[in-house]
Amino acid sequence: QVQLQESGPGLVKPSETLSLTCAVSGDSIRSSGWWTWVRQPPGKGLQWMGEVHHTGTNNYDPALKSRISISVDSSKNQISLQLNSVTAADTAVYYCARLGQGTTLDSWGQGTLVTVSS
Amino acid sequence: DIQMTQSPPSLSASVGDRVTITCRASRNIISFLSWYQQKPGKSPELLIYGATTLRSGVPSRFSGTESGTDFSLIISSLQPEDFATYYCQQTYTTPRTFGHGTKVEVK
Repeated sequence: QVQLQESGPGLVKPSETLSLTCAVSGDSIRSSGWWTWVRQPPGKGLQWMGEVHHTGTNNYDPALKSRISISVDSSKNQISLQLNSVTAADTAVYYCARLGQGTTLDSWGQGTLVTVSS
Repeated sequence: DIQMTQSPPSLSASVGDRVTITCRASRNIISFLSWYQQKPGKSPELLIYGATTLRSGVPSRFSGTESGTDFSLIISSLQPEDFATYYCQQTYTTPRTFGHGTKVEVK
């Protein structure tokens, strides 16, 4: 059974870069096509941010495209998220998830809260 | 981008009630529609994908329907553990947009 675990700083200063990692276990990143980041601001709904294929191809939310980068490290079986020039509006719980068979998000990490504040 | 209009934003129901939540896509997404359940402080969990396919292990009181660009999640007999927030998501194309969610509360 695949498991995903997000990690990274819980506090980031405005204008700086948010960096998170998602470690995948129980499955090889190469065996599943797309790996996704989703975020959820406090008290709000889910926001699809973007995805990365194990080949390195990306798709991003156009609203974030100038600030976001998602990468894959197959040797470590993990994916990474970088979001530049953060503001308070980027405060959220960040989830990584697998786009599995059936083209659906069938496995999710437990999420990590990132607060943007000075 | 494809917009997913989910309704209602919230509803109050009692155990045993039949509950219907709907999502309308702004254009054709074929059947690339998933439903997720999220409880407070927890990650979302997949219930239904392909608009109508129940994920293995999900109770059969959950079902999904589709008609053109209109999709529904039906809970045939609401159970205490079903009080949660539900989201639809289209996975037909990127950005893979979510509905705004429906909170199912105790009446």
